[in-house]
Amino acid sequence: NAGVTQTPKFRILKIGQSMTLQCTQDMNHNYMYWYRQDPGMGLKLIYYSVGAGITDKGEVPNGYNVSRSTTEDFPLRLELAAPSQTSVYFCASSRPGTGTGEQYFGPGTRLTVT
Amino acid sequence: AQSVAQPEDQVNVAEGNPLTVKCTYSVSGNPYLFWYVQYPNRGLQFLLKYITGDNLVKGSYGFEAEFNKSQTSFHLKKPSALVSDSALYFCAVRDMENSGGYQKVTFGIGTKLQVIP
Repeated sequence: NAGVTQTPKFRILKIGQSMTLQCTQDMNHNYMYWYRQDPGMGLKLIYYSVGAGITDKGEVPNGYNVSRSTTEDFPLRLELAAPSQTSVYFCASSRPGTGTGEQYFGPGTRLTVT
Repeated sequence: AQSVAQPEDQVNVAEGNPLTVKCTYSVSGNPYLFWYVQYPNRGLQFLLKYITGDNLVKGSYGFEAEFNKSQTSFHLKKPSALVSDSALYFCAVRDMENSGGYQKVTFGIGTKLQVIP
């Protein structure tokens, strides 16, 4: 199993540009998450999904959008990139229901907006 | 509301010495507790968890953690530190009362562990 994979690893965007961060998992996990990690701030949840076709906002959703058309894929869309979106983005997944909630993380995407 | 506190930004320990990374939590019900490790330029990796039962849980790479309900703590420990243990460590909590639907997990801000040769 590859686990959780993310592309790209690095990206530089100009202010106002858009991009999609890709996330795929091959563990058949229903739950998927997008976090951003800023120095000294820990992880902040952007969006999450409990299954294909179902998504919801986390703590910091502004400026982002997601979709979940399949169990495997959970892309994160940035529209009109702003410097405040410079961060490291992590995708994660976990088992649903009585699963205890440990999450499996991808390697991250380091995004710089200038 | 659930929360996690990691009171130390950084912990320095000499190689071979025991290490402790502290974590306290707050939940309305009973907690699920987790420790994750993050090596430079990598994603978080699950280390261990407490669900119920024995207060001392063992995890990967020789790490263990002690759950203390009265002190609402879940400190990470290792008897003998290795230089390769140097990394960022995150404590996380999930409220067991929220057992269905969205599995909300709250992460601490992380503690940098530096093991000195």
